[in-house]
Amino acid sequence: KQEVTQIPAALSVPEGENLVLNCSFTDSAIYNLQWFRQDPGKGLTSLLLIQSSQREQTSGRLNASLDKSSGRSTLYIAASQPGDSATYLCAGPNAGGTSYGKLTFGQGTILTVHP
Amino acid sequence: SAVISQKPSRDICQRGTSLTIQCQVDSQVTMMFWYRQQPGQSLTLIATANQGSEATYESGFVIDKFPISRPNLTFSTLTVSNMSPEDSSIYLCSVDAGSSYEQYFGPGTRLTVT
Repeated sequence: KQEVTQIPAALSVPEGENLVLNCSFTDSAIYNLQWFRQDPGKGLTSLLLIQSSQREQTSGRLNASLDKSSGRSTLYIAASQPGDSATYLCAGPNAGGTSYGKLTFGQGTILTVHP
Repeated sequence: SAVISQKPSRDICQRGTSLTIQCQVDSQVTMMFWYRQQPGQSLTLIATANQGSEATYESGFVIDKFPISRPNLTFSTLTVSNMSPEDSSIYLCSVDAGSSYEQYFGPGTRLTVT
């Protein structure tokens, strides 16, 4: 059974700072890992999807890496802005390589970027 | 990608009643998924809905409490039956699109049971 852990649980940084969010998973037989953003009371927005054959993906100021051997993924946010304030969730497949579409989520990192 | 809408966006219901949540996708998809997010918690998968077959429920969730319909490839409903305050949550549907199995989520339905 997949377990996903995210640290830190909360992070408060001044605007402009670069930051790293961490995600670890127990079942390394994953076919992908996905990072989401959730604004208060809202649904989830997909940020980045990393396939198992990839080591990283980039979108604008976001960069996500994946290390299956160590069971870790990181989300790097460059030059943070107040608009980045949200909860960031990582999710991996429930049972590693077989449960297509079924995700196990971490508890999330609540990010606050203050001006 | 996929664009997903849900109805209602929020509701306040009395205990003992039932609420049906609708999920509409802008393209045909094989599988649709229903998640629950309890206050202050992360998301938990309730069930997987395939068109033409019965939904598959995760451990801890049963069909009598959360009946699901999947009449076609773009639509699904989740009913929360005989509600109690513990059912107060955000309910989200999701689909995967394309060969990469990237998941897309609807905006969620915020349910409060009094």
